[in-house]
Amino acid sequence: GAVVSQHPSRVICKSGTSVKIECRSLDFQATTMFWYRQFPKQSLMLMATSNEGSKATYEQGVEKDKFLINHASLTLSTLTVTSAHPEDSSFYICSARAYGGGKDNEQFFGPGTRLTVL
Amino acid sequence: GESVGLHLPTLSVQEGDNSIINCAYSNSASDYFIWYKQESGKGPQFIIDIRSNMDKRQGQRVTVLLNKTVKHLSLQIAATQPGDSAVYFCAENNINSGNTPLVFGKGTRLSVIA
Repeated sequence: GAVVSQHPSRVICKSGTSVKIECRSLDFQATTMFWYRQFPKQSLMLMATSNEGSKATYEQGVEKDKFLINHASLTLSTLTVTSAHPEDSSFYICSARAYGGGKDNEQFFGPGTRLTVL
Repeated sequence: GESVGLHLPTLSVQEGDNSIINCAYSNSASDYFIWYKQESGKGPQFIIDIRSNMDKRQGQRVTVLLNKTVKHLSLQIAATQPGDSAVYFCAENNINSGNTPLVFGKGTRLSVIA
């Protein structure tokens, strides 16, 4: 149980295009999803916290108009990188927090999406 | 601000030896700690966690030690195997502070020499 999926797993796009990444909790409901970005040989850096039915909370330095987050249901959050540029190339990882069932604080991570902007 | 850091960025061990990966944290309010394993191109994989009311917790071949006095966390892997080669991250959180995300340390790359 507690599986989180991401789609696509890998995407290559041209500079200036927009890319949407989906994060789904497959067998549990997640009221909160987190989006992280990871550059090569670095740690996971939190980009934003996404709560179902409300606006995302962005970390300092993360442009909310560039990284659009939509958490429309308890099992799906999307991250759209708008007008992507090569410096946006990174590994994007989502995680979902499950409430109920005695695992209220546990975060479950997706497999990540590798974005390459040419 | 809060930060979670690591003493050793890389660690090479012989197959069969024990590995010890260390982590220092600065937020004294943190009360929940997790170790993750991340293989290349994959998301973090949960290894073991510990709450601040404990100082040791054991799993299968892994042990996490927590020293709240010096804000130090360690992961011990017994009889290290080639499949243990990965980057290991510690992460911390404050369960009582509400719906806050995990904060990750810098990571340690573990290389197992066969």
